[in-house]
Amino acid sequence: KQEVTQIPAALSVPEGENLVLNCSFTDSAIYNLQWFRQDPGKGLTSLLLIQSSQREQTSGRLNASLDKSSGRSTLYIAASQPGDSATYLCACEGGGADGLTFGKGTHLIIQP
Amino acid sequence: GAGVSQSPSNKVTEKGKDVELRCDPISGHTALYWYRQSLGQGLEFLIYFQGNSAPDKSGLPSDRFSAERTGGSVSTLTIQRTQQEDSAVYLCASSFNPLGTSEETQYFGPGTRLLVL
Repeated sequence: KQEVTQIPAALSVPEGENLVLNCSFTDSAIYNLQWFRQDPGKGLTSLLLIQSSQREQTSGRLNASLDKSSGRSTLYIAASQPGDSATYLCACEGGGADGLTFGKGTHLIIQP
Repeated sequence: GAGVSQSPSNKVTEKGKDVELRCDPISGHTALYWYRQSLGQGLEFLIYFQGNSAPDKSGLPSDRFSAERTGGSVSTLTIQRTQQEDSAVYLCASSFNPLGTSEETQYFGPGTRLLVL
């Protein structure tokens, strides 16, 4: 059974810093890996999706990498802003009909 | 265009009552998913529909939970004889293509916050 772990569980940094969020997964047989953000009291917003054949994806100040062999993904946020404050979730899609397997998230606070 | 919508947004019920949660996926999306997010827990996958069919119902927490989808669109998640441990946020998502399509993004609704007293 796939297990997804996110480190750190919480992170607080001053505005403007670059930061890295980590995600690890136990089963490398994935179709894709996705990063989401969740704002308090709201649903999930998809940030980036990396297909199993890809190594990274970029969107604006966000860059996500995928290393299937080591079971790791990182989300890099450049020049952080207070509006980036949210919980960031990593999720893997495997085979079958099991949906996405999520980590417990990293709660990020960007201090103005 | 409209995203995934869910109703009600909040539901408070008494232990032992039945509740029905509704999800309207993005128009044209064939795949629909239900997840549960409990306080302090991660997101837990419950069930997946491709069209009106659910290939695997083993993710449902107990036989008090059931889900259906009609017309390849709206889905309802029903919880019978609710228990306090059912309190959680229930999230619905949809995607254009089915699971196993490597480039497919799931789009999430805002969730239904269920509180069982």
